[in-house]
Amino acid sequence: GAGVSQSPSNKVTEKGKDVELRCDPISGHTALYWYRQRLGQGLEFLIYFQGNSAPDKSGLPSDRFSAERTGESVSTLTIQRTQQEDSAVYLCASSLAGGPPGELFFGEGSRLTVL
Amino acid sequence: AQSVAQPEDQVNVAEGNPLTVKCTYSVSGNPYLFWYVQYPNRGLQFLLKYITGDNLVKGSYGFEAEFNKSQTSFHLKKPSALVSDSALYFCAVRDADSNYQLIWGAGTKLIIKP
Repeated sequence: GAGVSQSPSNKVTEKGKDVELRCDPISGHTALYWYRQRLGQGLEFLIYFQGNSAPDKSGLPSDRFSAERTGESVSTLTIQRTQQEDSAVYLCASSLAGGPPGELFFGEGSRLTVL
Repeated sequence: AQSVAQPEDQVNVAEGNPLTVKCTYSVSGNPYLFWYVQYPNRGLQFLLKYITGDNLVKGSYGFEAEFNKSQTSFHLKKPSALVSDSALYFCAVRDADSNYQLIWGAGTKLIIKP
């Protein structure tokens, strides 16, 4: 597609439920990032995928969070047993490996509200 | 420790006036610096970057930023603000220990009043 696509754009769930967020990166972009943005705050790194290399999961806040990516395509971020503090906008970004450093292309985000 | 600071939560500017959004950084080695903009209900968009070379970097939408090594700053500027520039602006620096990690500032809300 023309840009990074994320779904759903909005998700309201009850505490304790599992949610799955999807990111479809720009075709050909081998690098993919997930960030969390809480209201009024900056970006919090969650996880980074680069091609078939082992992902950098160092930003995942707890074992309730996990992410998968098959090859260089779609990624899913799963949050199990959601808590109210998980409420945030989850942003996905992709970039070309070996491309201009730091030039990330972001999706519009998935806004998660945990009641 | 590596960090990025945006000392102003909000900046208010009258349309047509020059604007400055401040950013300072702390990083080992030579910094790679970036500005991104986030319009309401949209994802972040790349504005400009400094990697090497001229200290004054020009980017999208008439924005520019000046790299000042002695003051460890990378302030975003525009000579004449537009109401449509109202958005959230983020400064970022590439983590010197990583070839992909960015360290992000907390963001500055820019409000341009007609």
